[in-house]
Amino acid sequence: AQRVTQPEKLLSVFKGAPVELKCNYSYSGSPELFWYVQYSRQRLQLLLRHISRESIKGFTADLNKGETSFHLKKPFAQEEDSAMYYCALSGSNDYKLSFGAGTTVTVRA
Amino acid sequence: NAGVTQTPKFQVLKTGQSMTLQCAQDMNHEYMSWYRQDPGMGLRLIHYSVGAGITDQGEVPNGYNVSRSTTEDFPLRLLSAAPSQTSVYFCASKGQGNYGYTFGSGTRLTVV
Repeated sequence: AQRVTQPEKLLSVFKGAPVELKCNYSYSGSPELFWYVQYSRQRLQLLLRHISRESIKGFTADLNKGETSFHLKKPFAQEEDSAMYYCALSGSNDYKLSFGAGTTVTVRA
Repeated sequence: NAGVTQTPKFQVLKTGQSMTLQCAQDMNHEYMSWYRQDPGMGLRLIHYSVGAGITDQGEVPNGYNVSRSTTEDFPLRLLSAAPSQTSVYFCASKGQGNYGYTFGSGTRLTVV
């Protein structure tokens, strides 16, 4: 069974401070990991996927298979980063996407 | 290119009523899914489809039916609405080889 855990429900940081959102997963095969972002009352948008190893809006995430983690990081948070962030997982040959409970990030001025 | 379109955006139902949430995508995606979003629980998979004529259950299928007669459409039917089905419902689609799902804007359903 696949499972995604986001231990922090709420995260509050000051503008310009670093922010890190934790994500741990359990999966028996080779997973594909994603971060989705949902701004207030909007649809979910794909932010990052581990396979592309890209940086979007200053965010990066590294897949650590040893620790089964896919933490999301940004060195300098901005007010527009305030949103709900979901970590999600699917199998390499699987189309089902499993989500964590989400972390609400508030960036204070 | 509209992406994934969900209707209606808002709906209030009385307990016991039935209704259909519509979802359509114009990207020729094979895979489509329905999720419900509840506070503190993230998004939970209700039903999914890997192509026209093929559907299967997700984590929380009870009380919901789906069908996939065309590639474009994937409606979600509530058979007899219950207050526990008050939620925000998201439809999503994904093409083969495309790693990310595209989500609709959601339907906010209240059952009283």
